[in-house]
Amino acid sequence: DGGITQSPKYLFRKEGQNVTLSCEQNLNHDAMYWYRQDPGQGLRLIYYSQIVNDFQKGDIAEGYSVSREKKESFPLTVTSAQKNPTAFYLCASSTWPLQGVGMNEQFFGPGTRLTVL
Amino acid sequence: QQPVQSPQAVILREGEDAVINCSSSKALYSVHWYRQKHGEAPVFLMILLKGGEQKGHDKISASFNEKKQQSSLYLTASQLSYSGTYFCGTETSGSRLTFGEGTQLTVNP
Repeated sequence: DGGITQSPKYLFRKEGQNVTLSCEQNLNHDAMYWYRQDPGQGLRLIYYSQIVNDFQKGDIAEGYSVSREKKESFPLTVTSAQKNPTAFYLCASSTWPLQGVGMNEQFFGPGTRLTVL
Repeated sequence: QQPVQSPQAVILREGEDAVINCSSSKALYSVHWYRQKHGEAPVFLMILLKGGEQKGHDKISASFNEKKQQSSLYLTASQLSYSGTYFCGTETSGSRLTFGEGTQLTVNP
């Protein structure tokens, strides 16, 4: 079955430690996205990637880093520079839109809930 | 800039109708609607494209006023399963979405 997987579902880390969240998709999608969601809030874009070995900062990229070495994988590292990393992190993917038509739907993974102690 | 959603919350009885609005200060290429249940991933409902094309759910309807930079989601004859938080995501440029803060919908028996 095609889909997006994120692991782990729950993650606990000590303050000051870097942590990497996994995101894998087998939908053959070109575009991948990372969002952060805080309680009662909307989704805020951290980073996105349209193609392998290329990615762009979103609205809240400070304190985060990503890589896109394979089409299927888009891991997110939460660094110690991120001041308040406790949040729900969602990864999404979509097919790349045809020029002038508009974006296609995004498929979301189940999310990783990160708690920094 | 983040789109503004209204209302922030709405409570319905099963069978009642609701309208959720999404307003942007920028010109829009498309508007996307998603529903999220507590602790779960958002699920796609609908895309409204500049020019009038729609893609998505056949039991939920929506409108897109390009001139006013607004979209509305219409939920008719609501069911218990409609409960959740509804988000609009707007595409203004750069092939990325900016999401609103959400509208919490509760449908009671």
